Amino acid sequence: ETGVTQSPTHLIKTRGQQVTLRCSSQSGHNTVSWYQQALGQGPQFIFQYYREEENGRGNFPPRFSGLQFPNYSSELNVNALELDDSALYLCASSFDRGLETQYFGPGTRLLVL
Amino acid sequence: GNSVTQMEGPVTLSEEAFLTINCTYTATGYPSLFWYVQYPGEGLQLLLKATKADDKGSNKGFEATYRKETTSFHLEKGSVQVSDSAVYFCALSDRGTGNQFYFGTGTSLTVIP
Repeated sequence: ETGVTQSPTHLIKTRGQQVTLRCSSQSGHNTVSWYQQALGQGPQFIFQYYREEENGRGNFPPRFSGLQFPNYSSELNVNALELDDSALYLCASSFDRGLETQYFGPGTRLLVL
Repeated sequence: GNSVTQMEGPVTLSEEAFLTINCTYTATGYPSLFWYVQYPGEGLQLLLKATKADDKGSNKGFEATYRKETTSFHLEKGSVQVSDSAVYFCALSDRGTGNQFYFGTGTSLTVIP
């Protein structure tokens, strides 16, 4: 059974640029949730994708968008990067929109200069 | 709205000491409650959970009881080990208000021999 993987592990961008982060869900899971974890803080829920549709969104602006593909992998896109977007971005996979049993990937650390 | 408040850290204990990390929550529906652990250099892992009032979650010697009357879910362990050094996050999910997940800010625990 393959766990949740994320790429890249680290990324440096400059303010105003755009970034795409990727997540492969655990085998058998059809739901991916994305979180932003600022340094020293708890993860904040960005949104969830289930069967290629957004299913639940946290308090993040529209420049945070996502996709889910037929194989249930997912992308997080952030446009017009701001310094405050610097954080660890986590994805978690689960089955049938469930949040009670979700498995987290190791994260992508994004630094915006 | 929904939120989780954790006791501030960092917490430093000697090996075999008793651990309590306080967590209180605010929820508009009927939440499920969780404790996650993040070991140094590793991803978030579910430690234990409770899905309804008076349930007790337990794992690896850690326990937490879902107390609706005090809106609390305090984490306890009778005798901590050096290997328990990590950051602990309290969290809740509340399907009644949309499929979202809320984490506390985390409590860093260091156990010294």
